[in-house]
Amino acid sequence: QQQVKQSPQSLIVQKGGISIINCAYENTAFDYFPWYQQFPGKGPALLIAIRPDVSEKKEGRFTISFNKSAKQFSLHIMDSQPGDSATYFCAASARPRGAGNNRKLIWGLGTSLAVNP
Amino acid sequence: NAGVMQNPRHLVRRRGQEARLRCSPMKGHSHVYWYRQLPEEGLKFMVYLQKENIIDESGMPKERFSAEFPKEGPSILRIQQVVRGDSAAYFCASSQGINQPQHFGDGTRLSIL
Repeated sequence: QQQVKQSPQSLIVQKGGISIINCAYENTAFDYFPWYQQFPGKGPALLIAIRPDVSEKKEGRFTISFNKSAKQFSLHIMDSQPGDSATYFCAASARPRGAGNNRKLIWGLGTSLAVNP
Repeated sequence: NAGVMQNPRHLVRRRGQEARLRCSPMKGHSHVYWYRQLPEEGLKFMVYLQKENIIDESGMPKERFSAEFPKEGPSILRIQQVVRGDSAAYFCASSQGINQPQHFGDGTRLSIL
């Protein structure tokens, strides 16, 4: 059972366009939602993250929109560039409670983004 | 500013052999997470360690897999008697504190012949 559902699986966007990737979750204990970018042969790199006390966070061309009531969050990449072509993962973690708990990340299955020149 | 360092980057083992994967966290980071990634899939949590302590190993198979993070030296993920199904990319992440962002290494790609 996938706790974090990500869509679409793949996405093709023209240079200069907007890339939108969506994620949905069920566990209301999640309170931290990062997005990671991964290039082939590399590890995931943290792009941007949000907590549920805000509905939107923007860093440069990357924006996270968060809808707490719908339990959904999305990544928008404005003015998409060929260099943005990569796999993007959403993730979530819950506040640690008690011994043994931690910020382990629960991951979506990823979105392969291709930006055409 | 060294990031999370993992080695080896690629590891080939035959069935039944042992695999040792090493992870040196970022300077100042004392929290280490190990994740496994199968092709075309997201990462799956395996184990979380702090210096000299395993805090949560709920994602790690109970047999053949073990992890450690000694007082000195890197964290080690050890897989004994490897099987074909262990073929995957294994990623290590470190953080400065439990509520701090996780930073990832470039992984070890384990192939089992």
